[in-house]
Amino acid sequence: QSALTQPASVSGSPGQSITISCAGTSSDIGNFDFVSWYQQHPGQAPKLLIYDVKYRPSGVSTRFSGSKSGNTASLSLSGLQAEDEADYYCCSLTSTSTRYVFGTGTKVTVL
Amino acid sequence: QVQLVESGGGVVQPGKSLRLSCAASGFAFSTYAIHWVRQAPGKGPEWVAVISFDGNTQYYADSVKGRFAISRDNSKNTLYLQMNSLRTEDTAVYYCARGWEMAFEIWGQGTMVAVSS
Repeated sequence: QSALTQPASVSGSPGQSITISCAGTSSDIGNFDFVSWYQQHPGQAPKLLIYDVKYRPSGVSTRFSGSKSGNTASLSLSGLQAEDEADYYCCSLTSTSTRYVFGTGTKVTVL
Repeated sequence: QVQLVESGGGVVQPGKSLRLSCAASGFAFSTYAIHWVRQAPGKGPEWVAVISFDGNTQYYADSVKGRFAISRDNSKNTLYLQMNSLRTEDTAVYYCARGWEMAFEIWGQGTMVAVSS
């Protein structure tokens, strides 16, 4: 099971909006509405931002939103802030014996 | 306060064994599936294993199947990962994470495992 494909880096100025893509296959993203997104700051554990493609856990900023089309999922971040600078990972349930696959990760830089 | 605390990591030689623990507090441990997820240095997370709330069902990543065993003791609110026949590629920070809606809702701070001769 290969990792989901994400852009290595995305950047934006404070206040701008950015989108991170996550490309999978018909065995994972295309087959299930079980895509989740995680934010990870250096030296910290990942934090759940989005589950089931588009839902935010309690306490997660409404500036984060998720979507999916075909085999590709996306995370959008509006009103970019300095604190958003971190690594972001997507994850999907898969139909393979390895039940979950993560993305390659995207480093978000706030200019 | 919902919390997961991993322990048991360290430096181990290839081929040896190690057992990790994950102590849970602040929630009804026996009602949640719990996962192990690892992250090699400079890499993204990799799902390792999951165990059902009652301990009756386990699933493993192909990369660890037959070498690792996940278990839990609900009377002690503790999750375990028995790692045998360790390889250099098993070197990573190992996190336990509470499962929810096919996602990893709450994560511990992680414990480092280094496999090296």
